[in-house]
Amino acid sequence: EADIYQTPRYLVIGTGKKITLECSQTMGHDKMYWYQQDPGMELHLIHYSYGVNSTEKGDLSSESTVSRIRTEHFPLTLESARPSHTSQYLCASARGGTDTQYFGPGTRLTVL
Amino acid sequence: QQPVQSPQAVILREGEDAVINCSSSKALYSVHWYRQKHGEAPVFLMILLKGGEQKGHEKISASFNEKKQQSSLYLTASQLSYSGTYFCGTHAGTSYGKLTFGQGTILTVHP
Repeated sequence: EADIYQTPRYLVIGTGKKITLECSQTMGHDKMYWYQQDPGMELHLIHYSYGVNSTEKGDLSSESTVSRIRTEHFPLTLESARPSHTSQYLCASARGGTDTQYFGPGTRLTVL
Repeated sequence: QQPVQSPQAVILREGEDAVINCSSSKALYSVHWYRQKHGEAPVFLMILLKGGEQKGHEKISASFNEKKQQSSLYLTASQLSYSGTYFCGTHAGTSYGKLTFGQGTILTVHP
């Protein structure tokens, strides 16, 4: 099982602010993912990475950006937060082969 | 394309059984099952690989019918702790490294 961490767990912020959601994993997994999930709803892939300096947009269009400078770190940034960005953001990582994904605890973002 | 899960919701009493289905229109390489409790992150339950195998984990087992591109999750003698939303994630082989998740099935177990 992967050890994967997300900070902050909860964030309430005003419109227009720049925010960065942190995600780190200690298992050396090459693949990392960001999902957006509204309460009780399905998981939407917004970004993924197959390794350092590799990032791709997911199936759901998002105004956020990501970077992957180190294997263990995959931060997500919103340059100007809006109320429509209010959601839960889940980070996951996967080992090779079966691509089984392990999720972090999530960041619940509220934009006022 | 997103796999389709059925039913959308199921309510059980402790000790009852349930089946959750996951169907895809694409040829699948693997199916992954996750459970998410309210306010928590999804937790990996098991993976079914191409080949039509069946796997079990205590009273939770699953099967994968490669010809029908369908997987079923079986929960027997349900416990209160089984409550949550169950998601299947499918890997179509061509989508290297990515899983496509179904819409989820809400399972509620009452005493």
